[in-house]
Amino acid sequence: GENVEQHPSTLSVQEGDSAVIKCTYSDSASNYFPWYKQELGKGPQLIIDIRSNVGEKKDQRIAVTLNKTAKHFSLHITETQPEDSAVYFCAAHLMDTGRRALTFGSGTRLQVQP
Amino acid sequence: DAGVTQSPTHLIKTRGQQVTLRCSPKSGHDTVSWYQQALGQGPQFIFQYYEEEERQRGNFPDRFSGHQFPNYSSELNVNALLLGDSALYLCASSRQGNQPQHFGDGTRLSIL
Repeated sequence: GENVEQHPSTLSVQEGDSAVIKCTYSDSASNYFPWYKQELGKGPQLIIDIRSNVGEKKDQRIAVTLNKTAKHFSLHITETQPEDSAVYFCAAHLMDTGRRALTFGSGTRLQVQP
Repeated sequence: DAGVTQSPTHLIKTRGQQVTLRCSPKSGHDTVSWYQQALGQGPQFIFQYYEEEERQRGNFPDRFSGHQFPNYSSELNVNALLLGDSALYLCASSRQGNQPQHFGDGTRLSIL
């Protein structure tokens, strides 16, 4: 089955700096890669996703890049703000088939210091 | 537009008991997936329901079972509770096809 590794497990940055979180996946057939943000006491919130036919996607201060050859994808947050502090999860998925499960990484706790 | 709603928010049970958790999907969604999230870890897939049938199951024992109703809402049942079943149980809904999964805020289950 699919296996997703996520690094780093914790990340502390100063407000205004950039943050990068990296994930690798094992199943080359996976074709959908969402990123979720989870705040304390809440469920994961989808913040951005990318499909395997696209190399990069941006939404305001966040961007995701995908390298299919190397089987890794990354989340980039620019101009970080204290409200960006949360746990971030990457996931991999094979859409359009009978396989339904999202496989998650182990999470990155991001702390933005004001 | 209501998102995914789960009930109850917290639950305390003792070993050996049984529990039922409930989920109402986001409006327009017809597929419900359940995940278990242990403290400090990523969510682990339990199973998914579509058209009132279990479509895929993760690596969880038969003590975990579910149901989907005609209005697309779903229940997760866990029998013979173990201490290791203490976790946050998350429900996610989606539409069949190329749609992302949206999560509720979960039910925090504590086993004493």
